[in-house]
Amino acid sequence: NAGVTQTPKFQVLKTGQSMTLQCAQDMNHEYMSWYRQDPGMGLRLIHYSVGAGITDQGEVPNGYNVSRSTTEDFPLRLLSAAPSQTSVYFCASSYSTYRGQQQETQYFGPGTRLLVL
Amino acid sequence: ILNVEQSPQSLHVQEGDSTNFTCSFPSSNFYALHWYRWETAKSPEALFVMTLNGDEKKKGRISATLNTKEGYSYLYIKGSQPEDSATYLCAFKSGGGADGLTFGKGTHLIIQP
Repeated sequence: NAGVTQTPKFQVLKTGQSMTLQCAQDMNHEYMSWYRQDPGMGLRLIHYSVGAGITDQGEVPNGYNVSRSTTEDFPLRLLSAAPSQTSVYFCASSYSTYRGQQQETQYFGPGTRLLVL
Repeated sequence: ILNVEQSPQSLHVQEGDSTNFTCSFPSSNFYALHWYRWETAKSPEALFVMTLNGDEKKKGRISATLNTKEGYSYLYIKGSQPEDSATYLCAFKSGGGADGLTFGKGTHLIIQP
């Protein structure tokens, strides 16, 4: 298994540009989520999905869109990039939620480092 | 916004010494408490998921305890080794919905040879 993969690894954008961060997992996990990691802030939840066709907002959803058309893929879209979105983005997945300890364990992708100028 | 606090923020420990650090979280509506280990330039990796008050988990030299009534968890490392150097994250999950995890800011552990 490749686990959780993310592309690109690094991206530079200009203010106002849009882009999609890709996330895929091959573990048949129901639950997928996106976090951003900023210095001194820890990991903050942007959006999450409990299954194909279902998404919901996390703590910091503004400026981002998600969709979950398949179990495997959970792309994150920046609609109009702003310097405040400069961050490292992590995608994570788990078997499910609220179904037991091992199934709750989240597996993280390698991260996408985004710089918005 | 749920408040998950970790202390200390950073910690320097001599190789061979044992150490511990704390995660505090809301004591109401508890569902699970996660611990992750995050090495520089890598992704967070799961250590433990704990759901029951009084739970104790162990993986090699690392162990964790959970007190849901008072809202804290301790992570212990026995006989620290240089490879234990990492940031240790705890994450809280509340019950009653499909919300994601709320992470603390982590404890950055440096093991000095």
